[in-house]
Amino acid sequence: KAGVTQTPRYLIKTRGQQVTLSCSPISGHRSVSWYQQTPGQGLQFLFEYFSETQRNKGNFPGRFSGRQFSNSRSEMNVSTLELGDSALYLCASSLGQGIDEQYFGPGTRLTVT
Amino acid sequence: ELKVEQNPLFLSMQEGKNYTIYCNYSTTSDRLYWYRQDPGKSLESLFVLLSNGAVKQEGRLMASLDTKARLSTLHITAAVHDLSATYFCAVEPQDWAGGTSYGKLTFGQGTILTVHP
Repeated sequence: KAGVTQTPRYLIKTRGQQVTLSCSPISGHRSVSWYQQTPGQGLQFLFEYFSETQRNKGNFPGRFSGRQFSNSRSEMNVSTLELGDSALYLCASSLGQGIDEQYFGPGTRLTVT
Repeated sequence: ELKVEQNPLFLSMQEGKNYTIYCNYSTTSDRLYWYRQDPGKSLESLFVLLSNGAVKQEGRLMASLDTKARLSTLHITAAVHDLSATYFCAVEPQDWAGGTSYGKLTFGQGTILTVHP
């Protein structure tokens, strides 16, 4: 069974630009969660999607948004990038119901200059 | 707000020694996860602990959960160099309706483990 995939793996952007990251979950998984990992703040939950609906959201500004498609693939978008958005962005997939383990993708390393 | 605290944050061990990493959390939960992360890599699931008193073992690692004390431990037995990594615990809060937290894990700060020959 293929694991969670994320594209691109590395990205360099300039302040003020926007970026879109993609996550393809494990086949059969309908929930996708996104996390930001930085040295200073650690791992923080961004949001979770299930069946194209956002069910949960962390404490991030509105510049961070996401969506999920009917095939469960998910994208997250960050607009008006700031230097502090430089991070490893991880997505995790799960079945989305009941007691449920999350499986993490390899991450996208975003650098904002 | 759920808080998850790990200690120690840095652990330098000699091969062959034993040690324990502690994970304390601040709210009711009976779902706790341990992950391993190698430098520049993603998170690898180690253990899923789903009830009070749960104990799981894999190789030199053993994890346990005490929901009453809101404490989980990750015990390392006879450490080897290959165990060098960062270890995270993560808690899935239990909402009062008894449902799920909808994918939201709250992570500890991570424990950087270095095993020396």
